Amino acid sequence: DTAVSQTPKYLVTQMGNDKSIKCEQNLGHDTMYWYKQDSKKFLKIMFSYNNKELIINETVPNRFSPKSPDKAHLNLHINSLELGDSAVYFCASSQDQVAGPYEQYFGPGTRLTVT
Amino acid sequence: QKEVEQDPGPLSVPEGAIVSLNCTYSNSAFQYFMWYRQYSRKGPELLMYTYSSGNKEDGRFTAQVDKSSKYISLFIRDSQPSDSATYLCAPAGGTSYGKLTFGQGTILTVHP
Repeated sequence: DTAVSQTPKYLVTQMGNDKSIKCEQNLGHDTMYWYKQDSKKFLKIMFSYNNKELIINETVPNRFSPKSPDKAHLNLHINSLELGDSAVYFCASSQDQVAGPYEQYFGPGTRLTVT
Repeated sequence: QKEVEQDPGPLSVPEGAIVSLNCTYSNSAFQYFMWYRQYSRKGPELLMYTYSSGNKEDGRFTAQVDKSSKYISLFIRDSQPSDSATYLCAPAGGTSYGKLTFGQGTILTVHP
């Protein structure tokens, strides 16, 4: 039973295309996240949703739009893909994180390559 | 200056060695200090965490925090080839709602 799953695992596409990545968690958590890991392994938060409400929105181009249809799902849609969007995107989830500890559980990642 | 600095290595040690992995941070509001381990082509997994200053031990792993110098350490005793991975420190807390600020990660290889 996979706790946090993502689809697809690999995504190869051309510049200018629009693509989506889906994430689902079966841990009963209230909060979900999207992270981007670049080629140097630097992992940076992009968005966070708590009970379908956006609570963290880092400095991310507005071509990236997260959507949370329910507590167990958080999808990421990317418009007009650029070469610099090539990275591994990780979804994560956690219990409600007002006071910590900040135990987040990560999915396996989606490796996006833009050509 | 980055909010969290971590030497990316790579670090290569023989099996059985003691490994020391370190991070420094600048935000004095951080209260929780997480360590994640990431195997190649996998997602990060939580290894252990500490709250505020002090030490915490879990098997062969010891996490240490010195808030006065804003210095975080992870020690691995009797290192094994299965410990070969990237280790990421991630302090958190203060006003950030669940936000982890990751260091760059240290690539560790333990060779037999």
